[in-house]
Amino acid sequence: EAGVTQFPSHSVIEKGQTVTLRCDPISGHDNLYWYRRVMGKEIKFLLHFVKESKQDESGMPNNRFLAERTGGTYSTLKVQPAELEDSGVYFCASSPLDRDAIQYFGAGTRLSVL
Amino acid sequence: DAKTTQPPSMDCAEGRAANLPCNHSTISGNEYVYWYRQIHSQGPQYIIHGLKNNETNEMASLIITEDRKSSTLILPHATLRDTAVYYCIVRVRNSGNTPLVFGKGTRLSVIA
Repeated sequence: EAGVTQFPSHSVIEKGQTVTLRCDPISGHDNLYWYRRVMGKEIKFLLHFVKESKQDESGMPNNRFLAERTGGTYSTLKVQPAELEDSGVYFCASSPLDRDAIQYFGAGTRLSVL
Repeated sequence: DAKTTQPPSMDCAEGRAANLPCNHSTISGNEYVYWYRQIHSQGPQYIIHGLKNNETNEMASLIITEDRKSSTLILPHATLRDTAVYYCIVRVRNSGNTPLVFGKGTRLSVIA
């Protein structure tokens, strides 16, 4: 069974450009989460989808970040326009709808904004 | 903010047991203790979790004190591949799949 897949593994862009990160959860997992770690900080929660609906987006830093999960399968996280402080590693995790389900993480996308 | 406190770093000799402590003195009766780890360049990986009883799986053992204010993750025979940052996380039981709150974790270095 395939795990959580994230693409690209690394993205280097210039300030002001747009970047779209993609996450493919484990098949059948209705919960999908985005987290990120910026340099020197802890891993922080960004948002949570249940199927195609945003359950909790309290961690989204500002309106330059837009997450979607059309059809309740894969998700995209778009940053537009990117700023220097957006650099970091973005992780996606998924889990089934069972209570207390374990979250499984992808390898992350390393975003470098120059 | 994370509800746990962990030492920033620890060393362990290869083949020996690694004992990673975690303080969670404000834990509530309906909160689990979870352990994840992050090996360099990978995403966080689930290890084990427990409520009040000690737990063991193929990766590790989790010892929770009777008052539940602290716990210890035990890797019985550490290998070089266990070098990683280990996170102790408190999470509400039956929480409807709320997100994980990561702290700074403990950087475990397994030394040959």
